[in-house]
Amino acid sequence: NAGVTQTPKFRVLKTGQSMTLLCAQDMNHEYMYWYRQDPGMGLRLIHYSVGEGTTAKGEVPDGYNVSRLKKQNFLLGLESAAPSQTSVYFCASLGVGHFADQPQHFGDGTRLSIL
Amino acid sequence: AQTVTQSQPEMSVQEAETVTLSCTYDTSENNYYLFWYKQPPSRQMILVIRQEAYKQQNATENRFSVNFQKAAKSFSLKISDSQLGDTAMYFCAFMKHAGKIIFGKGTRLHILP
Repeated sequence: NAGVTQTPKFRVLKTGQSMTLLCAQDMNHEYMYWYRQDPGMGLRLIHYSVGEGTTAKGEVPDGYNVSRLKKQNFLLGLESAAPSQTSVYFCASLGVGHFADQPQHFGDGTRLSIL
Repeated sequence: AQTVTQSQPEMSVQEAETVTLSCTYDTSENNYYLFWYKQPPSRQMILVIRQEAYKQQNATENRFSVNFQKAAKSFSLKISDSQLGDTAMYFCAFMKHAGKIIFGKGTRLHILP
């Protein structure tokens, strides 16, 4: 009963390095989301996906790319990390037709530090 | 674009008291969903309560209830008989029928013994 799993849980990068955050869900959910959480800013939506092979921009998409090649996975990429991308990143998923019946399922977050 | 505003960055109340957290939102949609999430120090995001816009009746979940005023675009959360375990960040969130979910900046709630 894993739910939403984020990998890795912690990472430290140097400016300019690239990395990919992986989100995996085992609930056959259609919708998946990537958020970043910064002090005083709440959760801001980076990108989201309403189905396999589709992605859309959220509130703060610049500097990030995403892919949804498989329904269960949603990848968040940083091509050239910047200190401003230091944050806690949350992935979430939601099933179609259950908007009010079930909440978004969140992962436990990834703490990313860019030096 | 939809926006969600939580005007109270931080609040403190005594244990057993009632506290109300405010949330307003802006949308041109008629059908949508509203949520309150709790984030304790463990960083987990926990759904507290949800409301469908087409339902006039305010949602309740045990000690948690909402005051949903659709015309005023207001969605406040009332916590009755507050407990120490209610100490957390609380986020209001908006979702239209399908797609992205927008969160407010949060209210940090302290329940004092």
